[in-house]
Amino acid sequence: KNEVEQSPQNLTAQEGEFITINCSYSVGISALHWLQQHPGGGIVSLFMLSSGKKKHGRLIATINIQEKHSSLHITASHPRDSAVYICAATNYGGSQGNLIFGKGTKLSVKP
Amino acid sequence: EPEVTQTPSHQVTQMGQEVILRCVPISNHLYFYWYRQILGQKVEFLVSFYNNEISEKSEIFDDQFSVERPDGSNFTLKIRSTKLEDSAMYFCASSDYSDRGADLGSGRAGYTFGSGTRLTVV
Repeated sequence: KNEVEQSPQNLTAQEGEFITINCSYSVGISALHWLQQHPGGGIVSLFMLSSGKKKHGRLIATINIQEKHSSLHITASHPRDSAVYICAATNYGGSQGNLIFGKGTKLSVKP
Repeated sequence: EPEVTQTPSHQVTQMGQEVILRCVPISNHLYFYWYRQILGQKVEFLVSFYNNEISEKSEIFDDQFSVERPDGSNFTLKIRSTKLEDSAMYFCASSDYSDRGADLGSGRAGYTFGSGTRLTVV
């Protein structure tokens, strides 16, 4: 059974700071997802990656398959980035992409 | 941008009653999922659905639960004889993702969540 662990659990940053959220998983995966959950509860997919690095706007996701580790970076953070960021994995041989979730990192960006 | 639509957004039900949560996945997606999130806890997988049948289900998804795609567009989760501990946010999701370890060139997820149904059992 795969375990997905995130750190930190809570993160407070000043506007403009560079932010890193870490994720580790215990067994091989076919893909790693980064998701954003807003205060109202809605979940938005940010990235899905199986190797290397992906970038979209101020968000960057990286994954190291050998170390079973992924990071989400936010450059030039802004208060509107405040949300819970969740890492989730799909297992090798797992059926049809169902996700195993981490507990999430609650990010608060202060102006 | 295509959306996954869930209704209702909130539902309050008496313990022991049956509820049906509805979802309209993205039309060209092939895989459908239900997840739930109990308040303060992490999101948990319930069931995945492909080619008009359940492809995988978790330990949570017992005989109390059932899913159906009645008309080719809707995807429903039925909870029979609700219990207090069924109170949670229920998320529907759909994807065009197949488990082949493919590296999506754009990095953008082919995985879309609905906005959730908050179920309260009283």
